[in-house]
Order: sequence, then structure tokens, then C-alpha cells
Amino acid sequence: GESVGLHLPTLSVQEGDNSIINCAYSNSASDYFIWYKQESGKGPQFIIDIRSNMDKRQGQRVTVLLNKTVKHLSLQIAATQPGDSAVYFCAENIGYGQNFVFGPGTRLSVLP
Amino acid sequence: DTGVSQDPRHKITKRGQNVTFRCDPISEHNRLYWYRQTLGQGPEFLTYFQNEAQLEKSRLLSDRFSAERPKGSFSTLEIQRTEQGDSAMYLCASSLGAGNTGELFFGEGSRLTVL
Repeated sequence: GESVGLHLPTLSVQEGDNSIINCAYSNSASDYFIWYKQESGKGPQFIIDIRSNMDKRQGQRVTVLLNKTVKHLSLQIAATQPGDSAVYFCAENIGYGQNFVFGPGTRLSVLP
Repeated sequence: DTGVSQDPRHKITKRGQNVTFRCDPISEHNRLYWYRQTLGQGPEFLTYFQNEAQLEKSRLLSDRFSAERPKGSFSTLEIQRTEQGDSAMYLCASSLGAGNTGELFFGEGSRLTVL
């Protein structure tokens, strides 16, 4: 039924707090990473990307950190707002091709 | 520009029937992608076009699936002899060419239910 497959990792944060969403990737050859946000009933929306020659990249209220040693990626959202409530996906890519491999996602819930 | 447009938004069909989805990308984008997403999962890559050329196709894409982009603008994804396992959201995305960019612009998807 509708509940099958909805067992996403969930992160609940208070409005105004910072959020950290983590992602482990599997392919050590991946050299390009992207974070997407997907609101209910909509397609994924690009947030920020980072290449493997960087450890950190900042955008508006968001920061992505990359730790290649342990194959870990994180997305930090500053001053989380109700509009940030969504499912967040990390995606990885190897230098050739356009096959972006998405992770399973994390659901962020912002509490009032 | 209204972004990536997909049609139909919802399709219910009986097992064994053929279905076709259409995607209209953002007009100046020369790359077009099809992804499939099941409930609670991340999007799964199906295929990718650069202009009218289909350059990549997932090994997971069975022979029942075919995609076209005949004039390098809109694209169609056809599924023949549908099976219940084909039930999913089919997402189309587009991007500007040049280099390896993951900034894909997704449509809202076409939800397929196979009975």
C-alpha cells in the first residue's frame, strides 16, 4: 500500500536550528556530487553540487562537505525554515557520462 | 518559460497494455533525461539524450522500454506490454549542455499505475 517504501531516514529539527543531512556514497571513483530537494508531488530540485577536488562548498544557507576518505557527503542547512521540509537526495557521478546515481533520501521535517 | 512539462501526469493501465509519456524540456536545453522513481526511493536513471542522440541507456532498461527525441526537442518514453512492476513515477529532466553538470531541471513526473 501507500506505506510501503516510506521508511526513509528522517530528521526532525526545530525551526531556526541548523540541519545536517548525511549521505554515504559507494563508488570511490565518483568525482562529482549533487544534492537535490524533493517536495511532495514535485520533481527533484537542484540545491548545490561539489566536485571531488573540493572539500567544502557554500551556497545560500546551504553548505556541502565532502570527505573522500570515508566516502561521506553532508548537507548543512542554516536557520532551517518550514519551507525546507522535503526529502533530500544526494547523487553521485563518475567523470564520464550523465548517469547520476541517487541515494535513497532523507526526509527533513521542520517543527514549529 | 514554464519549465519541464510532462504529459500525462497520471496514467492507469491494465497489464499488457502499451503506454507512452511525453516530455517537453526547457526550450534552450539540449540534454534530456528520463528517470524512474518508486515510492520512498531516489530517482533511478533510465536514459539520456544529447539533442536527438540517445547517448546512454541504463542496463536496467528492458527491451520493452524505448525512448525517442526525434527533433532534439520533446521526447517520448514508451513502455510496451506493461507489467505491475512498471508502476512508478517517470521523471523527465533537462539541462544545458557543455561539461558534466548535475544541475538537472526536473518535471513533475508522470505517475504510472499498472493494474
